[in-house]
Amino acid sequence: KNQVEQSPQSLIILEGKNCTLQCNYTVSPFSNLRWYKQDTGRGPVSLTIMTFSENTKSNGRYTATLDADTKQSSLHITASQLSDSASYICVVSAVGNTPLVFGKGTRLSVIA
Amino acid sequence: EAGVAQSPRYKIIEKRQSVAFWCNPISGHATLYWYQQILGQGPKLLIQFQNNGVVDDSQLPKDRFSAERLKGVDSTLKIQPAKLEDSAVYLCASSLGLAGVSHEQYFGPGTRLTVT
Repeated sequence: KNQVEQSPQSLIILEGKNCTLQCNYTVSPFSNLRWYKQDTGRGPVSLTIMTFSENTKSNGRYTATLDADTKQSSLHITASQLSDSASYICVVSAVGNTPLVFGKGTRLSVIA
Repeated sequence: EAGVAQSPRYKIIEKRQSVAFWCNPISGHATLYWYQQILGQGPKLLIQFQNNGVVDDSQLPKDRFSAERLKGVDSTLKIQPAKLEDSAVYLCASSLGLAGVSHEQYFGPGTRLTVT
């Protein structure tokens, strides 16, 4: 069964600190992996998308990594800001026109 | 570029009542999706349209949920009659083509439904 598992479920960090969110998946055959940021009361917004051949992709202070062999991805946030407080959702796509597989998300709270 | 528009943003109804949600995708996007997101969960696909045809509605509870995209642009999602477990955020998304071929999905702000 295609699944995406994220950890931790929630995380609280101090402003200015770094953090790393984890994503493990069993989706096959793999097409691409995306990280979305979802602010409270808003729809998800794409941060990064990576295909099989990419193992690192950055978007400002966000850096995503992908290990297609172990089927793991991480999202690293550098020098966190209060505005980074949101849910971060890992989404994996299989080859072909199949629905995206969403993780449950990690709820990040950045406090002053 | 205007984003995906949804209305209403919030809706409170009693169980067994009916409700409808509206979505206007990004101009030129052929594919439209409706998702249900229960609190603390990731979005779950309800139905996917390619232009005005249904591509996937396998997870749509067809006894009470219906959706249409008659002219291949706007879409409506209806629930009749609503149950308590339908309380969730209903997200609409659109993409140029099929998401499985790396076309980015763009999400609307969602409609938060509370069934009492």
